[in-house]
Amino acid sequence: DTGVSQDPRHKITKRGQNVTFRCDPISEHNRLYWYRQTLGQGPEFLTYFQNEAQLEKSRLLSDRFSAERPKGSFSTLEIQRTEQGDSAMYLCASSSQDRGLYEQYFGPGTRLTVT
Amino acid sequence: AQTVTQSQPEMSVQEAETVTLSCTYDTSESDYYLFWYKQPPSRQMILVIRQEAYKQQNATENRFSVNFQKAAKSFSLKISDSQLGDAAMYFCAYRSGGSNYKLTFGKGTLLTVNP
Repeated sequence: DTGVSQDPRHKITKRGQNVTFRCDPISEHNRLYWYRQTLGQGPEFLTYFQNEAQLEKSRLLSDRFSAERPKGSFSTLEIQRTEQGDSAMYLCASSSQDRGLYEQYFGPGTRLTVT
Repeated sequence: AQTVTQSQPEMSVQEAETVTLSCTYDTSESDYYLFWYKQPPSRQMILVIRQEAYKQQNATENRFSVNFQKAAKSFSLKISDSQLGDAAMYFCAYRSGGSNYKLTFGKGTLLTVNP
């Protein structure tokens, strides 16, 4: 069981730079989710894919954020012109359509620090 | 919009004792799922237990059980025979029963287990 993996685990960047994160879901999972978790808060939903289709985007996902899942496998989350407020843990999760409750399995997260 | 409230920012318990973590939620839906997730320090979030709203019977997973009070919109987690490895941040989460698969999380409760 390889689980959900995310890369990098930590990223420090200067304000105004672009960053890209990668998420590799569990291989047979067709659904993939991105969440953002700031200090002292629970994760907040950002966006969700079913296969390669992005089906929902949160209002938290400003125009500077873009997510893709080109072949229905791994996904990338890009943040352009980073701001200090973007500093957070970015979590990826995946789930299988075959399981009735669509349990989501989480990756270890990418911690972004914008200086 | 659904909201999830965890009123206990921190809780502590002695090893081998029992502790109950509280969660309330607000929704106008009748079909939904509730979850408790555990996030150990610097480790990924894992599912502890889940409850379908249509089930009257409270879910149980080994030492973990829930008290689901649908009318009161309450969903508490009881941990019996607490172990040092139970120390973590615990998040209560809500998921609609419809096609919207996103999880809505509470702010979390930090559980400390004292030896």
